[in-house]
Amino acid sequence: AQSVTQPDIHITVSEGASLELRCNYSYGATPYLFWYVQSPGQGLQLLLKYFSGDTLVQGIKGFEAEFKRSQSSFNLRKPSVHWSDAAEYFCAATNFGNEKLTFGTGTRLTIIP
Amino acid sequence: DTAVSQTPKYLVTQMGNDKSIKCEQNLGHDTMYWYKQDSKKFLKIMFSYNNKELIINETVPNRFSPKSPDKAHLNLHINSLELGDSAVYFCASSHRGGYTFGSGTRLTVV
Repeated sequence: AQSVTQPDIHITVSEGASLELRCNYSYGATPYLFWYVQSPGQGLQLLLKYFSGDTLVQGIKGFEAEFKRSQSSFNLRKPSVHWSDAAEYFCAATNFGNEKLTFGTGTRLTIIP
Repeated sequence: DTAVSQTPKYLVTQMGNDKSIKCEQNLGHDTMYWYKQDSKKFLKIMFSYNNKELIINETVPNRFSPKSPDKAHLNLHINSLELGDSAVYFCASSHRGGYTFGSGTRLTVV
């Protein structure tokens, strides 16, 4: 069955430190991959997406993600986090456009001073 | 100029009532969805419509009935509300891999 796994339920990072959030997928073929962020009480905001081509994808708010086919991974990174980055982060995948998005269970990011 | 708008934003109701959530998109997308986010933040698809036709129904109870009067609207009607229906419901639309989500409707059943 198609699935998206986010192994880390909760991550705590110091402000200014680097961040990596893990995401693994299980699909028959390479899916379209997404990262969304959800601030408390808010909706889902798209950070970045990967369809094909360059495996390093740049997104908004200084985030990037790297697609690694050999590891079935699409990890999200940021070199220096800000307190405003505290939120829930979701990795998602779909077979192709206009198909349902399958979400991971989310990673809650806490930023400490 | 909101792309995907849902109403209401908050909904508190008693068990057994019937309620509706409305969704409209002005992006010209052909496909629309309803997702449910439970108390553990898990997001799961409920329904998908493409150009007013039901494409996906993910084993959602019959008490939930989506209706798409045209491709810009996808409403969700829920009969006989139960405590377990309390969640945040997100509407979304898509076109060629570009997904846009509404801001969500927080449903609380008491």
